[in-house]
Amino acid sequence: AQTVTQSQPEMSVQEAETVTLSCTYDTSESDYYLFWYKQPPSRQMILVIRQEAYKQQNATENRFSVNFQKAAKSFSLKISDSQLGDAAMYFCAYRSLNSGGSNYKLTFGKGTLLTVNP
Amino acid sequence: EPEVTQTPSHQVTQMGQEVILRCVPISNHLYFYWYRQILGQKVEFLVSFYNNEISEKSEIFDDQFSVERPDGSNFTLKIRSTKLEDSAMYFCASSEPGFLYFGPGTRLTVT
Repeated sequence: AQTVTQSQPEMSVQEAETVTLSCTYDTSESDYYLFWYKQPPSRQMILVIRQEAYKQQNATENRFSVNFQKAAKSFSLKISDSQLGDAAMYFCAYRSLNSGGSNYKLTFGKGTLLTVNP
Repeated sequence: EPEVTQTPSHQVTQMGQEVILRCVPISNHLYFYWYRQILGQKVEFLVSFYNNEISEKSEIFDDQFSVERPDGSNFTLKIRSTKLEDSAMYFCASSEPGFLYFGPGTRLTVT
């Protein structure tokens, strides 16, 4: 079974600065997807960014980018130019590439609570 | 942009009562899921549903839980006899063969 580990329960960053959230995972599969979800105080789960393991290029979405190290099974999220609205819980998640066509469930880490200081 | 919706946003119930949480997935999606998040903890998979049947369920999803797609649009989670430890945020999600889209969640409080 796959596991996802987020070793930083809490992080803080100054507004306009850059912060990196860590995520490691364990899997025996060679192809899979990785995701970062943001959960603001409203508790809605919002997809921030995704990475296909077969792609060497790191995914980027505006101020959000990832550092995907497949051999190390590491998938960190970098938030540049942090804004007050970035304050939220961030979850790293894993999904198998192909689950036989019937199931695309996600396995989540425990989350990192990001505080943005003005 | 299409979205997953859930009702109610907050449900309070007494221990031992039955609750039904409702979800309307994105209309062209074929795969449906329920996840649970106990306050302060990680999001946990409960069950996935495809082709009108459960495709996978977790250890949490015991006989007290059931899911149903009663018509072409709704996807429901029923808890037959709620326990205090069922208090959590319940998220519905749907997907094509691909990426999950989550609903806003239902906060269930069992007293």
